[in-house]
Amino acid sequence: EAGVTQSPTHLIKTRGQQATLRCSPISGHTSVYWYQQALGLGLQFLLWYDEGEERNRGNFPPRFSGRQFPNYSSELNVNALELEDSALYLCASSLGNQETQYFGPGTRLLVL
Amino acid sequence: QKEVEQNSGPLSVPEGAIASLNCTYSDRGSQSFFWYRQYSGKSPELIMSIYSNGDKEDGRFTAQLNKASQYVSLLIRDSQPSDSATYLCAVASGSARQLTFGSGTQLTVLP
Repeated sequence: EAGVTQSPTHLIKTRGQQATLRCSPISGHTSVYWYQQALGLGLQFLLWYDEGEERNRGNFPPRFSGRQFPNYSSELNVNALELEDSALYLCASSLGNQETQYFGPGTRLLVL
Repeated sequence: QKEVEQNSGPLSVPEGAIASLNCTYSDRGSQSFFWYRQYSGKSPELIMSIYSNGDKEDGRFTAQLNKASQYVSLLIRDSQPSDSATYLCAVASGSARQLTFGSGTQLTVLP
């Protein structure tokens, strides 16, 4: 069974640009979660999508947004990039009625 | 604010020993608890989940939960050098589905 996949693996942007990160969940999983892992800050919850709807949002500014598509894949958009947005962005998925989350390999975003 | 605390380590144990990793959490309403392993430069990998007080064993790993003390631990028996990684404790608090992670404990198993 294929795991969670993410693309791209690495992304380099300059300050002020927009970044788009993509995630495909494990087959059969309807919930997708996004986390940020910045150096020294640990894993921070960003967003939860289920059945195409945003269900919960972490303590991040509105320039972090996303969506979930009908095939349950998801996209995270980060607008007006700042240097401190440089981090590993992790996507996880779960069955719709369960909390156990399985992580993808991540997208490493570098903002210059 | 919900908090999850872990000893940051580093924790070093000899090969074959038992490694003990500890975690405390602040939200008494927490229902689900997870241990993830993260190798350097990689993403977190789920090791175990535990939901009820007591012990849960899976191979060389045993998770222990004490909700009264708001404490969860992970024991790794017969530690191997391949167990060297950062171990993350994560807590979920019901319908929000948000996992709150500790800062992780770095474990080194010495050959």
